[in-house]
Amino acid sequence: GENVEQHPSTLSVQEGDSAVIKCTYSDSASNYFPWYKQELGKGPQLIIDIRSNVGEKKDQRIAVTLNKTAKHFSLHITETQPEDSAVYFCAASSNFGNEKLTFGTGTRLTIIP
Amino acid sequence: DSGVTQTPKHLITATGQRVTLRCSPRSGDLSVYWYQQSLDQGLQFLIQYYNGEERAKGNILERFSAQQFPDLHSELNLSSLELGDSALYFCASSALATGEQYFGPGTRLTVT
Repeated sequence: GENVEQHPSTLSVQEGDSAVIKCTYSDSASNYFPWYKQELGKGPQLIIDIRSNVGEKKDQRIAVTLNKTAKHFSLHITETQPEDSAVYFCAASSNFGNEKLTFGTGTRLTIIP
Repeated sequence: DSGVTQTPKHLITATGQRVTLRCSPRSGDLSVYWYQQSLDQGLQFLIQYYNGEERAKGNILERFSAQQFPDLHSELNLSSLELGDSALYFCASSALATGEQYFGPGTRLTVT
């Protein structure tokens, strides 16, 4: 089955700086890669996703890149703000998301004011 | 607010007992997924239903079962509870056209 690895497990960045979180996947059949933000006491919130037919997607301060050959994808957050502090999870799925998500182990991002 | 609702928010029960967790998907979503989040296992897929039919199973224990009703809400039944079943249980729903899974706020289950 699919295996998703995520690094780093913790990340602290100064407010205003950029943060990058990286994930690798093992199953070449995976074609949908979402990112979730989870705040304390809440459910995972979908913040951005990418499908295997594109290499990059951007939404304001967040962007995701995908390298199908290397089987890795990354989340980039620019101009970080205190409200970006949370746990971020990457995930992979096949059938463009209409099947189970396999999650990475999460990255705890702390923005230092 | 994702539009997915889950009840109850918290549940405390004893070992050996049985509980039912409830999920209402976003309006129009036919797919419902159940996930378990624990400190040692992370977020793990349990089971998926699509329009009332079971579609996929993950590492769901035989003591656990689920169903999706004609009104599309879903219930996850956990029986013969053990201490290790203590976890957060999330429901997610998606529309076939987009595949994007939206998560509910979760049910925190504590087995004592």
